[in-house]
Amino acid sequence: DTAVSQTPKYLVTQMGNDKSIKCEQNLGHDTMYWYKQDSKKFLKIMFSYNNKELIINETVPNRFSPKSPDKAHLNLHINSLELGDSAVYFCASSRPGTRSTGELFFGEGSRLTVL
Amino acid sequence: AQSVSQHNHHVILSEAASLELGCNYSYGGTVNLFWYVQYPGQHLQLLLKYFSGDPLVKGIKGFEAEFIKSKFSFNLRKPSVQWSDTAEYFCAVNEGSSNTGKLIFGQGTTLQVKP
Repeated sequence: DTAVSQTPKYLVTQMGNDKSIKCEQNLGHDTMYWYKQDSKKFLKIMFSYNNKELIINETVPNRFSPKSPDKAHLNLHINSLELGDSAVYFCASSRPGTRSTGELFFGEGSRLTVL
Repeated sequence: AQSVSQHNHHVILSEAASLELGCNYSYGGTVNLFWYVQYPGQHLQLLLKYFSGDPLVKGIKGFEAEFIKSKFSFNLRKPSVQWSDTAEYFCAVNEGSSNTGKLIFGQGTTLQVKP
């Protein structure tokens, strides 16, 4: 069973479109994250939710909107896609009580290509 | 601001060679330190971690890392690499006083082990 699963794994779309990436974890974790990996392989945190409450919101354009319907799901919606949004987006989760310890469980990533 | 620097971007070794990947971070306070690994086609997974105590920590698959506070370093080592160690290796830092689980990642090192 996949612990942290993301869909879709690959997404190719045109500039200006709106797209969503979904993430689900079956580990019983209470905190979920979105990280973005750019073309130079740098991984940078975007958002984090704990029990559906937003706890980290890095300087990300308003076009990016995370949604957490429950603690097992964290979706990422992107409006008006731009070329610079092309990246690999990783979802991750962490166990209760370990938010401060950085032990994250990652999904396989969703590669977004904006043409 | 915190930053993590990995000196080696691409390392090529023959099987049985020894490995050392450098990682330095910039932050004056208490930190938690991590190495994550991403095998081809798989998700990022935790290789080892340092929170406190013995600065020499051992992880999975024979890897170890040494925290040297005076050098702000957390280098990864393995005495004898195998072809199956071919992967991307990421060093990461988390503020020790933080309760958000926010990781600052290095740029990653691609390790290629030739059989």
